[in-house]
Amino acid sequence: KAGVTQTPRYLIKTRGQQVTLSCSPISGHRSVSWYQQTPGQGLQFLFEYFSETQRNKGNFPGRFSGRQFSNSRSEMNVSTLELGDSALYLCASSLLAGGSNEQFFGPGTRLTVL
Amino acid sequence: GENVEQHPSTLSVQEGDSAVIKCTYSDSASNYFPWYKQELGKRPQLIIDIRSNVGEKKDQRIAVTLNKTAKHFSLHITETQPEDSAVYFCAASWAPGGGGNKLTFGTGTQLKVEL
Repeated sequence: KAGVTQTPRYLIKTRGQQVTLSCSPISGHRSVSWYQQTPGQGLQFLFEYFSETQRNKGNFPGRFSGRQFSNSRSEMNVSTLELGDSALYLCASSLLAGGSNEQFFGPGTRLTVL
Repeated sequence: GENVEQHPSTLSVQEGDSAVIKCTYSDSASNYFPWYKQELGKRPQLIIDIRSNVGEKKDQRIAVTLNKTAKHFSLHITETQPEDSAVYFCAASWAPGGGGNKLTFGTGTQLKVEL
C-alpha cells in the first residue's frame, strides 16, 4: 500500500504571496491532519479533516486554511505569507477520526518564505 | 488544551546501553500516547504507542510505560545501536468535543548513540 504523499516537496515564496500544499492519504484513510514543524516551536497541530469536514483546529491565524475532497485528498492554503511561516509542513493520515488512531506521516513540504 | 513536556532534550549513550525518555501531559482526558522517531531529513515514524487502558507495552528493544495517576509516560530503548540515533517525539492525543485526532507533541529528544 502506498504511503502518504505530499506535493510539492520544496517551495520558495516571497512575503505576501499565498501557497497551496497538497496531501494524498493512504488509500482507505479518511482522516487527514496537518502539522507545522519548526526548530523553535517543534511540531504543532494545524487542523484535521474527516469526510470533508474540519474536525479540529489548532491555534493558528485565519491565514491558514484547508479543505478535504471526496477522495480524502487534502489541501492547505496559507495566504499573505510571512517570514515566520517558513517551516516543514507535514500531513498525517489515519483510518478513522477519533482520539486514539495511529497517524502516518507524509514526507512533508519544506516552505521557505523570503 | 493539552500540554506535553519532554525530557531530556538531548541524550548521549554508549552503544549497548539503555536510553530512557520521559514525558508528562496535562489533560487527564488524553487516551493515546504514541512515540515517533524522526531521522534527519525524514518524516516522523511511529515506533510504539500505548493506550490509556494499558500500563506497559513492549516491542523487541523498545518499551513504553504509562502512569495515568501521575500523568507521565516513558520510552525505554535497550541495547541501543547507532541506528537508534535520531530525534524522538512523544505525543498525547486529546479528543476535543468534536472528536477527531489532535496530537500534541513534546519538544523532542535528540538521542545520540556513540560507538
